Amino acid sequence: ILNVEQSPQSLHVQEGDSTNFTCSFPSSNFYALHWYRWETAKSPEALFVMTLNGDEKKKGRISATLNTKEGYSYLYIKGSQPEDSATYLCASRNDYKLSFGAGTTVTVRA
Amino acid sequence: ETGVTQTPRHLVMGMTNKKSLKCEQHLGHNAMYWYKQSAKKPLELMFVYNFKEQTENNSVPSRFSPECPNSSHLFLHLHTLQPEDSALYLCASSQDLVQSSYNSPLHFGNGTRLTVT
Repeated sequence: ILNVEQSPQSLHVQEGDSTNFTCSFPSSNFYALHWYRWETAKSPEALFVMTLNGDEKKKGRISATLNTKEGYSYLYIKGSQPEDSATYLCASRNDYKLSFGAGTTVTVRA
Repeated sequence: ETGVTQTPRHLVMGMTNKKSLKCEQHLGHNAMYWYKQSAKKPLELMFVYNFKEQTENNSVPSRFSPECPNSSHLFLHLHTLQPEDSALYLCASSQDLVQSSYNSPLHFGNGTRLTVT
């Protein structure tokens, strides 16, 4: 089982503020880094899959960066809205195995 | 509509019962997965099937028995479970497990919330 760690475990952000959080993963035999958003009572939904060092991806107000040499990825939420409240999961594919972190739960206060 | 449907959404069973969880996908995917999610823990991979063949059994106790009759359907048969098996069980699918598909995302169902009494 690979050690994929996410921090912080949870965070609260005021509506309109921006925030970011981290996923660290093993850099050996790395193939891809996934980010998922998991809203309460729904299924996890893929946000991004990144493979190359330096990759940056954006979807609306959410963006992510990837550093495969040091084994970390940041997820950024710009101008947080209540609908951004969810648990954000990252997962690292090393060899053929996909291992998940425990997630960062974001609560946006109106 | 996620394309991956799991039934039932909730299940309460006694330790001597036998039940099955069902997962169905209409995305044309060839890889299917069972994950277990316990509170505050990462998603824990249980089983993986690729083109109907089991490729991963992550040291799962034999009281959990998977079945993949075709690429669209996946079952998890449960018998003589323990209370600590109570968790959310998620099914997922992806294109396949060929290396060129490693950057394909997983598509998840809504999960089955299992309570063992």
